[in-house]
Amino acid sequence: GESVGLHLPTLSVQEGDNSIINCAYSNSASDYFIWYKQESGKGPQFIIDIRSNMDKRQGQRVTVLLNKTVKHLSLQIAATQPGDSAVYFCAETPAGTASKLTFGTGTRLQVTL
Amino acid sequence: GAVVSQHPSRVICKSGTSVKIECRSLDFQATTMFWYRQFPKQSLMLMATSNEGSKATYEQGVEKDKFLINHASLTLSTLTVTSAHPEDSSFYICSASRGRVGGGNQPQHFGDGTRLSIL
Repeated sequence: GESVGLHLPTLSVQEGDNSIINCAYSNSASDYFIWYKQESGKGPQFIIDIRSNMDKRQGQRVTVLLNKTVKHLSLQIAATQPGDSAVYFCAETPAGTASKLTFGTGTRLQVTL
Repeated sequence: GAVVSQHPSRVICKSGTSVKIECRSLDFQATTMFWYRQFPKQSLMLMATSNEGSKATYEQGVEKDKFLINHASLTLSTLTVTSAHPEDSSFYICSASRGRVGGGNQPQHFGDGTRLSIL
């Protein structure tokens, strides 16, 4: 059933440190994964994606790691900045990126000065 | 590129009113559009998927007569909340993708959401 009043897990990181946000997925048939960033009152913003035939992908200041054995996904943000403060969602899809996305519960990243 | 515009950003209206929300892909053709609902401090829940020119596919538990979806062109989809009641108050978000469901790797790009408040 749907959880009501769920509190998002929060990660507090000092400015300049690296952040690691984790996500566990459940569908072993998922072959495409995306990380989104959502700021308050806005829609999710695409950060980085990875296909199941890869285990690591790097972008600008961000790295996504995929461990299919334990169905785990992580997002690493280097040199975290105040502008990185937001809620981060992982999303999975079983076949092709236009397929339905299943979103994780989200993690709130708070960057302290 | 890949900008999705959603309008209006906020709506406050009386119970019983029908409300239409528009979702436009500004710089690409969106073969598939998705509508989500998000409650405070929760994740996005998919309501329905629509392909241009065909009927929307609704998720289990979503009333299709309550939430009318039209995807008449490759750049516009609309969600109409009919006879809205306070329990329909929520944050509604659309996304658009160049690809079809089951097609190649084309990410979903999201609008900035519509906050609907029914009094």
